[in-house]
Parts: sequence; structure tokens; C-alpha cells
Amino acid sequence: DTGVSQNPRHKITKRGQNVTFRCDPISEHNRLYWYRQTLGQGPEFLTYFQNEAQLEKSRLLSDRFSAERPKGSFSTLEIQRTEQGDSAMYLCASSLSRGSNEKLFFGSGTQLSVL
Amino acid sequence: GNSVTQMEGPVTLSEEAFLTINCTYTATGYPSLFWYVQYPGEGLQLLLKATKADDKGSNKGFEATYRKETTSFHLEKGSVQVSDSAVYFCALRPKNTGGFKTIFGAGTRLFVKA
Repeated sequence: DTGVSQNPRHKITKRGQNVTFRCDPISEHNRLYWYRQTLGQGPEFLTYFQNEAQLEKSRLLSDRFSAERPKGSFSTLEIQRTEQGDSAMYLCASSLSRGSNEKLFFGSGTQLSVL
Repeated sequence: GNSVTQMEGPVTLSEEAFLTINCTYTATGYPSLFWYVQYPGEGLQLLLKATKADDKGSNKGFEATYRKETTSFHLEKGSVQVSDSAVYFCALRPKNTGGFKTIFGAGTRLFVKA
């Protein structure tokens, strides 16, 4: 087990392009979270999945953002028509649902730069 | 709503100095509280946690006590090392309301000088 893996590590794109990020969680983890982190701030919740079901989405997640976890394993986060304000570190975390003892395991993130 | 406020950084200390990073929270009910740490170039990792009032979380010489009366969860370490240089995030997770998401503070960067 190599932990949570995110690809790519860095993505540079032009405004208006679409980008897709991938997250491979720890294999037995049933919950998967996406967060966004900008410089000098803590991670902000975007959305999470329990198995393949997307159970909650933040209002930060505009309709240009879509996330999937088709088989309850890996997940993808797509941003359509990127804007400069989308530039941030996109973090993925996974966990086993254990109530108040839930511990998040984070990947190293995908750094998105929109030019 | 649920939120976490922690002291602004950066905090710069000399090796073997005492560390305190303040954290207060606002939450409905009694959440679980966490400190996560992010070392340079790495992902966030859990440092310690406490799930109910008066619990003390501890790990690697760091401690934090869940104080319900002051809604605080301050991080302390008696003697910091250069290797403790990192960004520290206080976080909460609601238990019965607010969904399952963990909510993070803005982070406090710690620099430890040799």
C-alpha cells in the first residue's frame, strides 16, 4: 500500500481549457474527499464520496466542476472552462468511516495553474 | 456554522524552545478535534486527535487538550526541533450534524532555527 496517489502533480493550462485530475485512494477506504487549498489557507472541502455515491457537494463547487468515483475506487475531478481563480492545490483524501475517529489520509495534491 | 480559527504565522522559534499554537473552534454540539501537519513537499498527515471534552491527544512530543469551556484545542510541545518545521492545521469534524466533512483552519507555519 503506497498511500493516496494523485496525478498529475502539476498542471498548467490556459484559461478556458478543461482539466481532469485523478485520485487513487488507499484500497480498502470507502470514503474519498476532494479539497482545494490556496496559498496561506487551509484545505476547503469540495465534495466527498462514500463508495461510489457522491453524498455532499460544497457550494464552492460550481457547475463547471464535476467529480466521479465510478466503481467506488479511484476518483476524477474535472474542471471545465478553467478560470484563473481555479488556480490552487487540489487535494484528495481517503478514509475508513469510523465515526468520530475517522482519520483522513491525504495525497500530495495536484497543483493547478491557470494562465 | 462550524469553523476553526488558529493563530497566524509564521511562528519562528529556536531549537528546544516551547511551542504553543492556539486554536479555537465554533461548532454545533461536540465535534472531534484534530491537528494535522504538512511537512515541506508532503501531504497533510494526522498528528493527534481528541474526540471528547478533556481528552488529551498526544504524538511525537506534541499535545493538545480538548477544552469545551473555552472551545479550544491548543497545540503544545515542550522542546521543538528543526525537523518540526512545517505547517500545522487545526481541524474539527462534527459528530451528529454538519455532515461528514472535516473542516480546517488556515494553518500556522512554524520555523525552527538551529
